Amino acid sequence: GAGVSQSPRYKVAKRGQDVALRCDPISGHVSLFWYQQALGQGPEFLTYFQNEAQLDKSGLPSDRFFAERPEGSVSTLKIQRTQQEDSAVYLCASSLGISRGPYEQYFGPGTRLTVT
Amino acid sequence: ELKVEQNPLFLSMQEGKNYTIYCNYSTTSDRLYWYRQDPGKSLESLFVLLSNGAVKQEGRLMASLDTKARLSTLHITAAVHDLSATYFCAVDMKMNRDDKIIFGKGTRLHILP
Repeated sequence: GAGVSQSPRYKVAKRGQDVALRCDPISGHVSLFWYQQALGQGPEFLTYFQNEAQLDKSGLPSDRFFAERPEGSVSTLKIQRTQQEDSAVYLCASSLGISRGPYEQYFGPGTRLTVT
Repeated sequence: ELKVEQNPLFLSMQEGKNYTIYCNYSTTSDRLYWYRQDPGKSLESLFVLLSNGAVKQEGRLMASLDTKARLSTLHITAAVHDLSATYFCAVDMKMNRDDKIIFGKGTRLHILP
């Protein structure tokens, strides 16, 4: 079946603009994760959903970042008043299970955000 | 705070050689993941290691986990050019009822033909 998809794949925003990044997880996957990956670094956790519930948002770097998953499937990561330091690849991942199962995360292709 | 350290961060090696990438982590965890990332691509899951002493092999790659030493290794046997990529280890950190995955910085592997 289809994997995790993300859109747009590339986004250029002027500083101060708001952006919205979309993630379509694998159908039936309960858990959804957002990560931020700076150039040359490993992904850093942003937030986690179990169905529609946002159970952990401790990784969101500021209150300009907001994520939602209202119907427990598609998720949107919104960044308000973008800053240059927000430039990164934003990865979405989904997994079949919840919590302590041996569930692999399947990653989407990412959205490369460049703030000018 | 959970820290995940990989070494080396960069590795250039000849085809046919063997090498090992190391992943150390700072607090107790019983789940560790290895991922591969090609330039401009997303992450591909390679291994999920769930218990002390776990060893998994796929082709020329073999991963192991020692939870007591808080160490995982990714061993490459008789490297081929197609294995050139960045390899990440990631460790599961349980917080309350939920799990957070913490990634290392990655090991950029370049295999010379």
